[in-house]
Amino acid sequence: QKEVEQNSGPLSVPEGAIASLNCTYSDRGSQSFFWYRQYSGKSPELIMFIYSNGDKEDGRFTAQLNKASQYVSLLIRDSQPSDSATYLCAVINSGGGADGLTFGKGTHLIIQP
Amino acid sequence: EADIYQTPRYLVIGTGKKITLECSQTMGHDKMYWYQQDPGMELHLIHYSYGVNSTEKGDLSSESTVSRIRTEHFPLTLESARPSHTSQYLCASSARGGASLLGAFFGQGTRLTVV
Repeated sequence: QKEVEQNSGPLSVPEGAIASLNCTYSDRGSQSFFWYRQYSGKSPELIMFIYSNGDKEDGRFTAQLNKASQYVSLLIRDSQPSDSATYLCAVINSGGGADGLTFGKGTHLIIQP
Repeated sequence: EADIYQTPRYLVIGTGKKITLECSQTMGHDKMYWYQQDPGMELHLIHYSYGVNSTEKGDLSSESTVSRIRTEHFPLTLESARPSHTSQYLCASSARGGASLLGAFFGQGTRLTVV
């Protein structure tokens, strides 16, 4: 069974610090990796995708991928209270198809003012 | 910005009623999905479609049904609503092939309450 694992949290980070969110996946053939942000009562919003080993930066967000270790992480620099949300990791598995997109359960992030 | 729309946003309905939740996207995406999510809980895939005339059941068993007669439209129907169907329903879509690597995009969701 293809799994995506995240620590459910809550992860509490002081304002201005770096928030680090981690995700591991079981399917070594996974192709592409996504981070979604979901505010309470809202739908998930795609914020980053990565498919090559290494780092990908977009503003205050950096996605890191290590396929050998099967983990992907999201760093949020200069954390703001507006970053408080649940962050979902998602993976496109090697099986492809419409069911190839697997979500983790999400990590609840709290940025303390 | 994703162009995927769900209606209604909120629905309160009595037990036993038939309901249809609408989902439309203007991105030409082949793949579409329905997820169910309770407050503070994980996403559960209940239906998906590869394209027109394709529908498949997801990981979570659901009494709902779906249809895909047009690429842009993926409605979900409950023939007889029950209080256990109270939840948020999220529709999403994604491209196929290499463009699928760009991820799936979600509508704003329908919050259903069955009384």
